[in-house]
Amino acid sequence: ILNVEQSPQSLHVQEGDSTNFTCSFPSSNFYALHWYRWETAKSPEALFVMTLNGDEKKKGRISATLNTKEGYSYLYIKGSQPEDSATYLCAFIDNNDMRFGAGTRLTVKP
Amino acid sequence: DGGITQSPKYLFRKEGQNVTLSCEQNLNHDAMYWYRQDPGQGLRLIYYSQIVNDFQKGDIAEGYSVSREKKESFPLTVTSAQKNPTAFYLCASSHQGAQPQHFGDGTRLSIL
Repeated sequence: ILNVEQSPQSLHVQEGDSTNFTCSFPSSNFYALHWYRWETAKSPEALFVMTLNGDEKKKGRISATLNTKEGYSYLYIKGSQPEDSATYLCAFIDNNDMRFGAGTRLTVKP
Repeated sequence: DGGITQSPKYLFRKEGQNVTLSCEQNLNHDAMYWYRQDPGQGLRLIYYSQIVNDFQKGDIAEGYSVSREKKESFPLTVTSAQKNPTAFYLCASSHQGAQPQHFGDGTRLSIL
């Protein structure tokens, strides 16, 4: 059974703070890792698709890194804004299966 | 515009009744998925289909059934055998491989 864990479960930061959270996954049979942003009353949207150890992806103020050997990915948000408030989901894909973490719920206070 | 459409947005079911949730996509995606979300939990996979006329059980398939007669459509039936059907249901689709999933807006099912 794949075990994908995200931490912290929730996070409250002030506008302008930088923050990061973690997705941990099995280090064997890695195929890909996805990050999604899920805003309230909307559907989840893909942020990043990461496939290679050492990958770093960036979209505006959000970036992600990947370490497949130790089984973790970090998502960073620089200078958080209220519109960044959302649940951030990671999804681990191996050769046969895909599993989502429970998400990190980020609240950015103005 | 291309996208994935779920209907209805809200659904109420009487105990002992089967209900079907609709999911349609016009993205030409081969793969389609159904997830369930409960409060405080992540998305759990109910069923998925990688090609027409084929589908596989996910982690929590008991009490659910699906069909994939057309590439665009992947309806989910919540049967009376599902003892705790109240949840938020999300449908998604993707190309094969490591491609990201595109999600619908979800259907919230409640028991009367």
